[in-house]
Amino acid sequence: NAGVTQTPKFRILKIGQSMTLQCTQDMNHNYMYWYRQDPGMGLKLIYYSVGAGITDKGEVPNGYNVSRSTTEDFPLRLELAAPSQTSVYFCASSLGGAGTDTQYFGPGTRLTVL
Amino acid sequence: KNEVEQSPQNLTAQEGEFITINCSYSVGISALHWLQQHPGGGIVSLFMLSSGKKKHGRLIATINIQEKHSSLHITASHPRDSAVYICAVSNTGNQFYFGTGTSLTVIP
Repeated sequence: NAGVTQTPKFRILKIGQSMTLQCTQDMNHNYMYWYRQDPGMGLKLIYYSVGAGITDKGEVPNGYNVSRSTTEDFPLRLELAAPSQTSVYFCASSLGGAGTDTQYFGPGTRLTVL
Repeated sequence: KNEVEQSPQNLTAQEGEFITINCSYSVGISALHWLQQHPGGGIVSLFMLSSGKKKHGRLIATINIQEKHSSLHITASHPRDSAVYICAVSNTGNQFYFGTGTSLTVIP
């Protein structure tokens, strides 16, 4: 099993550009999550999904969109990149919900918006 | 005020020392998680617990629900334990809140 994979590993965007961060898991997990990690700050939950077709907001959803058309994939879309979105983004998955199962994390995507 | 507070922020230990990292939280939770973030950035889940104590190798995690406090202990620390240790809590609404992490350096 590859676990949770993310692409790209690094990306530099100009202000106003758009991009999609890809996340795929091959563990048949129901739950998937997107987090951002800023220097000196704890991880913040952006969006999560409890299964295909179902997504919900986390603590910091503004400026992002998600979709979950398959169990395996959970892409994160930035429509109009802003410098405040410079961060490291982690995708994670778990079989059960927040209090029931271990989360498995992807390797992260380092995004810089200039 | 953050929902999750960790102490200390930074910790340096000699190889072989017993290490304790503390975590306090202020919200209702369904579980508390301890994570390890390697120098390269990868994150691994170490423990998930909702009561009592768990042990895995040289790592022990405890939680006191009444006091809203958890500790992560590392016995016989080793340089390969050098990493950032992150405490997180989750609730039944699938919301996660993370501490800012404790950076541990173990010197040979």
